[in-house]
Amino acid sequence: SQQGEEDPQALSIQEGENATMNCSYKTSINNLQWYRQNSGRGLVHLILIRSNEREKHSGRLRVTLDTSKKSSSLLITASRAADTASYFCATDLLPNTNAGKSTFGDGTTLTVKP
Amino acid sequence: DVKVTQSSRYLVKRTGEKVFLECVQDMDHENMFWYRQDPGLGLRLIYFSYDVKMKEKGDIPEGYSVSREKKERFSLILESASTNQTSMYLCASSSPPGKYEQFFGPGTRLTVL
Repeated sequence: SQQGEEDPQALSIQEGENATMNCSYKTSINNLQWYRQNSGRGLVHLILIRSNEREKHSGRLRVTLDTSKKSSSLLITASRAADTASYFCATDLLPNTNAGKSTFGDGTTLTVKP
Repeated sequence: DVKVTQSSRYLVKRTGEKVFLECVQDMDHENMFWYRQDPGLGLRLIYFSYDVKMKEKGDIPEGYSVSREKKERFSLILESASTNQTSMYLCASSSPPGKYEQFFGPGTRLTVL
């Protein structure tokens, strides 16, 4: 099964609300990343958090990492209709002798209603 | 602006045909990847390459092969296409060391009839 599993599978909110999605993984990681995919397109990198970091911010995005629980969360604040997309977490495992190989989860589909 | 391009956005082939999916990146990246994406299954790694002429199997290599003759180009080959290879195929690239961000192409939606 996939290393990363996102929860919930689907999320629907109103514009202006916050959206939180979670990712759980099974084995020790080097980094964890979040990506966004707009419908029918390729993925776009959002943010990377290293295993020795607990929280990271980028604009309206806040990512937390709890290595003891093997979980991460992505918070999007003040959501906009343009945030409608699928969001994937990707884990970079230890050891990672082949730099850059990540394992992706199944994704959370976020719908932001105007 | 960094760019990963894929040869086709949509492709329709018949069972048994040999299919080539091409991916080109202009960022001088060492690593390149091929994934397939299916509903409910997320992205699954087919093959990746960390240097010219170097390749490694991913999680689901069966029925696929790859070629990397030049640094910027990574080709996915379906030797004899089957209906269960109908999927969205995504190419990505990244540059080591310590750089894990992957840059993705727009995807090729392949239908095998």
